[in-house]
Amino acid sequence: DSGVTQTPKHLITATGQRVTLRCSPRSGDLSVYWYQQSLDQGLQFLIQYYNGEERAKGNILERFSAQQFPDLHSELNLSSLELGDSALYFCASSDPGTGDEQYFGPGTRLTVT
Amino acid sequence: LAKTTQPISMDSYEGQEVNITCSHNNIATNDYITWYQQFPSQGPRFIIQGYKTKVTNEVASLFIPADRKSSTLSLPRVSLSDTAVYYCLVEGGGSQGNLIFGKGTKLSVKP
Repeated sequence: DSGVTQTPKHLITATGQRVTLRCSPRSGDLSVYWYQQSLDQGLQFLIQYYNGEERAKGNILERFSAQQFPDLHSELNLSSLELGDSALYFCASSDPGTGDEQYFGPGTRLTVT
Repeated sequence: LAKTTQPISMDSYEGQEVNITCSHNNIATNDYITWYQQFPSQGPRFIIQGYKTKVTNEVASLFIPADRKSSTLSLPRVSLSDTAVYYCLVEGGGSQGNLIFGKGTKLSVKP
């Protein structure tokens, strides 16, 4: 158990819909990262937040957005969903003071039908 | 951005030592090298991190030559449960940067 929690575990929705994925980082970790992993693909970095502020942006579509709240939990919002958005979405957290290694959550499996 | 290159797959047998090499030719001065392990449908798990020379922990060793343009993850005496995808990641210190995991190396351990 990494200490990072993600909800929901599974999500099935239709094209054109909007969903919100939630992540709670490990206690004390200030950085939160979001990744997308499609079938048989590597991890695609989407976005990173550090203590509430956006720190780095990767291959995140304009239909996707994220935020980190004062209690450090984070949400990833996916809108106008397409079939190709079906994937595993992972959240990770890290503490820059202890080497910056990332601790990943169990993921949310999103299926768009 | 320091991109990494790893073999797509490797096969091994139980009890053997496995070495997976990652090249990162344009690694920056403040970049660390981190390796992760991922089982199907699970989040990646941190294995080891290093900056230079050799780092060893209870599960693996990491060898980094002086020029830091490559690194080698060494798994001693692998077992069937080590079958997984292994990712090499080069990341800057201070929680900054665009993080590129790549497709990793799929290690298959056979009995």
